[in-house]
Amino acid sequence: DTGVSQDPRHKITKRGQNVTFRCDPISEHNRLYWYRQTLGQGPEFLTYFQNEAQLEKSRLLSDRFSAERPKGSFSTLEIQRTEQGDSAMYLCASSLGGGENEKLFFGSGTQLSVL
Amino acid sequence: GEDVEQSLFLSVREGDSSVINCTYTDSSSTYLYWYKQEPGAGLQLLTYIFSNMDMKQDQRLTVLLNKKDKHLSLRIADTQTGDSAIYFCAENSGNTPLVFGKGTRLSVIA
Repeated sequence: DTGVSQDPRHKITKRGQNVTFRCDPISEHNRLYWYRQTLGQGPEFLTYFQNEAQLEKSRLLSDRFSAERPKGSFSTLEIQRTEQGDSAMYLCASSLGGGENEKLFFGSGTQLSVL
Repeated sequence: GEDVEQSLFLSVREGDSSVINCTYTDSSSTYLYWYKQEPGAGLQLLTYIFSNMDMKQDQRLTVLLNKKDKHLSLRIADTQTGDSAIYFCAENSGNTPLVFGKGTRLSVIA
């Protein structure tokens, strides 16, 4: 399977704990995006990488959130001191980048529930 | 900032056509996209249109773009129960990340 894969699919955690999610993009894709989706809403942009460089961060991304893409391949998104408001589906997407037509290919997401 | 608006629900009978509408505010949008999301899954790219086009057809899907009114629509011909899903309109302008609408939930009645 050469699509975007995310791990884990589901995560249940207690408030105050730290969680980390992983995304493996399509192998030849240079860009990797993180979006967050809550019930009844569309995906909201969090951050994106061009290779290993983090090019843009949304103001939605508080100091408790950090994302890395150390070798320009897989990426991790860490949430520290989780809050109930962090409960959402976290979607990763990748694209070839470098042009105006940003066709994003999404993974199945990680559903986070903070109790 | 950019904003994308969609109606939230649409219900159609199997075999009929579905038309899902979207309006956007960013006049510098270069590409507009339609994505489909089934329950518990990520988003699947269905089709896209470049802003200098007014129509694009791809099998059962027809995209219409009215750039003057900043209005985009997706028509699904001969709608099937497997088309039941949430459909998202998205736009980007140059090098900015995609901005998505809230999605239209399409229910197909057999």
